Amino acid sequence: NAGVMQNPRHLVRRRGQEARLRCSPMKGHSHVYWYRQLPEEGLKFMVYLQKENIIDESGMPKERFSAEFPKEGPSILRIQQVVRGDSAAYFCASSPQLDRGPLNGYTFGSGTRLTVV
Amino acid sequence: DAKTTQPTSMDCAEGRAANLPCNHSTISGNEYVYWYRQIHSQGPQYIIHGLKNNETNEMASLIITEDRKSSTLILPHATLRDTAVYYCILSGAGSYQLTFGKGTKLSVIP
Repeated sequence: NAGVMQNPRHLVRRRGQEARLRCSPMKGHSHVYWYRQLPEEGLKFMVYLQKENIIDESGMPKERFSAEFPKEGPSILRIQQVVRGDSAAYFCASSPQLDRGPLNGYTFGSGTRLTVV
Repeated sequence: DAKTTQPTSMDCAEGRAANLPCNHSTISGNEYVYWYRQIHSQGPQYIIHGLKNNETNEMASLIITEDRKSSTLILPHATLRDTAVYYCILSGAGSYQLTFGKGTKLSVIP
């Protein structure tokens, strides 16, 4: 019963390179959420996706960041032309279909730690 | 989502109960209280949630005051593996975002 799988666990990129972070949701989950955690801070919401749809990207920086969740395959968080300030832990969560009740089944992965040198 | 206030850090002796407080005086009627924890270098782990009534599961108990303005997470017999940052989070029914503050850093002491 695999949980939310993120890879790679650690990623080092030079300034100006591209970073691609992958997230495979739990089996049966069709909703994916990305969060960013800067050092010594709490997690901040970035984007909410369903298959082939971006539902809410209000927490995404306006430039260089994009996310997708294709019909087949994992969700991808892409950061172009990385800068040192992008160094952080990026967490993905997934959930089943949400209803009007509590967030049942909202599960986080172990994260990808991005270091920009 | 409404704001929560938690102590920055707490210590607890191994084997004793850990009681982590959270103030949420501006909570709305449809907001749930969630507790997550983050052990060093791992993703947040769900612990428990509640709306009005006290709740208990295999990990912890959640005590919510009658006016819902504060709550307490209780770990009945803390172990060294419970050392983590504990987050108290409010989220409305049907909401999909969790807003994490800085949480309480709990250190369980041998």
